Amino acid sequence: EDKVVQSPLSLVVHEGDTVTLNCSYEVTNFRSLLWYKQEKKAPTFLFMLTSSGIEKKSGRLSSILDKKELFSILNITATQTGDSAVYLCAVEAGSARQLTFGSGTQLTVLP
Amino acid sequence: GAVVSQHPSRVICKSGTSVKIECRSLDFQATTMFWYRQFPKQSLMLMATSNEGSKATYEQGVEKDKFLINHASLTLSTLTVTSAHPEDSSFYICSARDEVAGSSYEQYFGPGTRLTVT
Repeated sequence: EDKVVQSPLSLVVHEGDTVTLNCSYEVTNFRSLLWYKQEKKAPTFLFMLTSSGIEKKSGRLSSILDKKELFSILNITATQTGDSAVYLCAVEAGSARQLTFGSGTQLTVLP
Repeated sequence: GAVVSQHPSRVICKSGTSVKIECRSLDFQATTMFWYRQFPKQSLMLMATSNEGSKATYEQGVEKDKFLINHASLTLSTLTVTSAHPEDSSFYICSARDEVAGSSYEQYFGPGTRLTVT
């Protein structure tokens, strides 16, 4: 059974702090790893990672994948209150390219 | 970017009734759509994979006779919760994969439907 584990489950920081969110996985026929941000509604796409060691960056967010150790991290620098959300990691696998989601990390950024 | 819509966004129904949720890809064709369920403070759980023109593939533990899925066209999939009970109350989210745009095969999520069964 495919498994995706995120840590920590929740995190409270102050504006300006840097955070690192972790995602480890065990899946059959790995295709890609994705990060999403979920506020009150459906998840919004952040990154898709398919290759090890190549950092993807978007503004203050960046992410990297290690396919040998089977994990990914999502970094957010200079956090803002608007970054408060649940961050979901999902792994796409198999011929149907289904997504298996981790439990998410609830990030709260205090002013 | 590609847009996926869901209707309704919220529905309240009485126990024992059936509810239909629509998922549409607005500006692309989707051979495959996925239905997820999310309980409060939990992650998204895949319920089924909906394939255009064929039967849906259900995940283990999901009753196919209770959650009827129809994917009659390349832009529309429907999920019908039959004989709904309070424990079916949840946030139902669909996603559609743009399989024409290129090799990214990205899944685009709908805004979700909040179902409350009283």
